[in-house]
Amino acid sequence: DAGVTQSPTHLIKTRGQQVTLRCSPKSGHDTVSWYQQALGQGPQFIFQYYEEEERQRGNFPDRFSGHQFPNYSSELNVNALLLGDSALYLCASSSGISNQPQHFGDGTRLSIL
Amino acid sequence: EDQVTQSPEALRLQEGESSSLNCSYTVSGLRGLFWYRQDPGKGPEFLFTLYSAGEEKEKERLKATLTKKESFLHITAPKPEDSATYLCAVQANTGGFKTIFGAGTRLFVKA
Repeated sequence: DAGVTQSPTHLIKTRGQQVTLRCSPKSGHDTVSWYQQALGQGPQFIFQYYEEEERQRGNFPDRFSGHQFPNYSSELNVNALLLGDSALYLCASSSGISNQPQHFGDGTRLSIL
Repeated sequence: EDQVTQSPEALRLQEGESSSLNCSYTVSGLRGLFWYRQDPGKGPEFLFTLYSAGEEKEKERLKATLTKKESFLHITAPKPEDSATYLCAVQANTGGFKTIFGAGTRLFVKA
């Protein structure tokens, strides 16, 4: 039973560039959430997708956007990259929008030079 | 504003030395409180969910408890393999179903 998978595992970009991160949810899950985790901090909620729509959003600028596909996989796009966007980006999946626990992937480590 | 505060930031224990990690929360109505374990370079791994005050969950050397203001993660006779960062997170009625994480407690267990 495959868990949450994310790609790529590591990525290096320069300021001003754009990046796309990908996530495949755990089998049987249909809801995907994205988080940003800075070094030494807890994950910060970016947004959540369900039924191919953004359902909830955290305090992130609209440079951060996403998409969910019919097979429940998801992409996170970040435009006009800033040095402060360097972080571990985590994808989590769950079944429906509820107070059930989420299952996380191992993240994409994004470094901005 | 909904907030989650974990203490201590770091905890160093000898193998077999039991202790507790604290998670204090301020939310307008709790939908659920979650404990996760995170190893370096990995994503958080789910441990427990607690939904109402008085609830307790147990798994191997770990036991999680919940009151109306805080949760504790008790670690009994820890082993070096318990070394990790332990994250607490909440879902609040005012926040829909988005999850708010604390900064975590880094646990080091020495043999």
